[in-house]
Amino acid sequence: GQQVMQIPQYQHVQEGEDFTTYCNSSTTLSNIQWYKQRPGGHPVFLIQLVKSGEVKKQKRLTFQFGEAKKNSSLHITATQTTDVGTYFCAKLQGAQKLVFGQGTRLTINP
Amino acid sequence: DGGITQSPKYLFRKEGQNVTLSCEQNLNHDAMYWYRQDPGQGLRLIYYSQIVNDFQKGDIAEGYSVSREKKESFPLTVTSAQKNPTAFYLCASSIWGGLATGELFFGEGSRLTVL
Repeated sequence: GQQVMQIPQYQHVQEGEDFTTYCNSSTTLSNIQWYKQRPGGHPVFLIQLVKSGEVKKQKRLTFQFGEAKKNSSLHITATQTTDVGTYFCAKLQGAQKLVFGQGTRLTINP
Repeated sequence: DGGITQSPKYLFRKEGQNVTLSCEQNLNHDAMYWYRQDPGQGLRLIYYSQIVNDFQKGDIAEGYSVSREKKESFPLTVTSAQKNPTAFYLCASSIWGGLATGELFFGEGSRLTVL
């Protein structure tokens, strides 16, 4: 199936530094969802973006949807150890299939 | 508490054996899904079901089978035909048409190891 490419695959930061992960698609997206998976855990929904150019914030997390609806980003300001995990973007394929990116694994040095 | 329950959490099987993973939800969701996750990789869709007695193949259905006899239950059988079954299996659900406006709710997963 058509993929969503996520970069980087891994990111290690010092606690307090910022972190950004990017999600890119070759086709226009109807929407994009973001999930977080803690080590040893299961994915948990963070947010969905639908509108072109949309920006949503959740405390230190900022989500953006590109103007062309082909890319999205998740930015974390001043990372904390609780932010450790893998962040996935996912796109809707058809009416009911969600296709996930490979994920960006974030590790943090306290 | 509403949620999705997967069992067993850990499972070991010998080559050539079929194994069934259980997934039950009490969220009254219409749609249910099975994903496979390999180390360091994303989630790949195995099967999904939008209503009772109906299901569709995902991207990696070969070697797997499912049933949806009840709204609450969507068991996955990993058959001996699956060549590389060792993986983390995640069950999820969503409201009907939910993916256009909502999200997936995941169970805690079942980790299958083939010895």
